[in-house]
Amino acid sequence: AQSVAQPEDQVNVAEGNPLTVKCTYSVSGNPYLFWYVQYPNRGLQFLLKYITGDNLVKGSYGFEAEFNKSQTSFHLKKPSALVSDSALYFCAVRAYNTDKLIFGTGTRLQVFP
Amino acid sequence: DVKVTQSSRYLVKRTGEKVFLECVQDMDHENMFWYRQDPGLGLRLIYFSYDVKMKEKGDIPEGYSVSREKKERFSLILESASTNQTSMYLCASSPPGLAGAHEQFFGPGTRLTVL
Repeated sequence: AQSVAQPEDQVNVAEGNPLTVKCTYSVSGNPYLFWYVQYPNRGLQFLLKYITGDNLVKGSYGFEAEFNKSQTSFHLKKPSALVSDSALYFCAVRAYNTDKLIFGTGTRLQVFP
Repeated sequence: DVKVTQSSRYLVKRTGEKVFLECVQDMDHENMFWYRQDPGLGLRLIYFSYDVKMKEKGDIPEGYSVSREKKERFSLILESASTNQTSMYLCASSPPGLAGAHEQFFGPGTRLTVL
């Protein structure tokens, strides 16, 4: 069965420190992986995706993610967190051979000043 | 920029009412999606449409139906609203092709409360 897991409900980090939001996946075939961010009372905004190529993917707002095939992970990272990064983050994987996405349960990132 | 709009940001309905949630996208996307978002459960797919008049059930279609009469518009219908359908409803669209490599574009969401 295809699935995506976000093992942490919440991640707390101090402003200026590096942040990591974890995501692991289980899929058939080649994984297409996505990160989205949701600010309060808003829809989801696309951050970045991995389809093929370089394992390190750069996205919006200074975020990046590293695809690790052996660990079946796609962790979201940022070198220096901002208070404005506080939001709900979703990892998603394409369902095999379709245009549908399977979403994780989300991780709330709280950046403290 | 792709724009996906939803007819209401907040909606309050009574049990048993028929509820229509409307979604419109302006980028000529073939694919449109309806999700519900609940705390701790993430986003769950209710229905998916890959073309006009074409639809496919998602993971939780029970109690819902959809309509896609025009390419830009995808409606979610709650035939008889129940309190367990209180949730945030998100609409999304994406272009087809590349076997799912395209990201989805989301509307702002409709927070539905059923009393």
